[in-house]
Amino acid sequence: SAVISQKPSRDICQRGTSLTIQCQVDSQVTMMFWYRQQPGQSLTLIATANQGSEATYESGFVIDKFPISRPNLTFSTLTVSNMSPEDSSIYLCSVEGGTNFDEQFFGPGTRLTVL
Amino acid sequence: AQTVTQSQPEMSVQEAETVTLSCTYDTSESDYYLFWYKQPPSRQMILVIRQEAYKQQNATENRFSVNFQKAAKSFSLKISDSQLGDAAMYFCAYRRTTSGTYKYIFGTGTRLKVLA
Repeated sequence: SAVISQKPSRDICQRGTSLTIQCQVDSQVTMMFWYRQQPGQSLTLIATANQGSEATYESGFVIDKFPISRPNLTFSTLTVSNMSPEDSSIYLCSVEGGTNFDEQFFGPGTRLTVL
Repeated sequence: AQTVTQSQPEMSVQEAETVTLSCTYDTSESDYYLFWYKQPPSRQMILVIRQEAYKQQNATENRFSVNFQKAAKSFSLKISDSQLGDAAMYFCAYRRTTSGTYKYIFGTGTRLKVLA
């Protein structure tokens, strides 16, 4: 299994500002995933981040709003830019692992509140 | 497109009793994985159980078991001898392969309450 940490665990931000969320994994992984979980909702995939290449964004998410960095095989950041109250969510990063790399392991999440 | 449906927003079970959470999915693929994840109030998503579509035998993990009906595209989770610690949101998830990238699709979740 993989152990994943995220920083910050929570934050309260003002409208129009940006927040960068960090995700650290205790082992090298090829792909990292960023999800958004709005209050009481399911998980929605924002993007997939491979080391050394541009992140792949899902429909409805754009790089200008959610820029992602993946500088090495154990670390990634997600920035939520020009925030509005609609961006208030839990943001989770995850990686694939397990014997056949067919399980996802999740970080504890970052709870973001935008005022 | 693949979809995952959990038709029970909330379920309750008495401690020590058995409860079944429902999940249906839609796909045209023949090989895929299905998962049940648990998200307690602490938010940490935890894998409960997984099923490989090519395996006919239902997966079991201690008190947790699934009823996988591939033809019906149904994947229910049975929790036996429910414990207070089982109270959480449970998400059913489907894993597919698109252009070499694995993607997971999650259902909307079922909130399980365990009554003492």
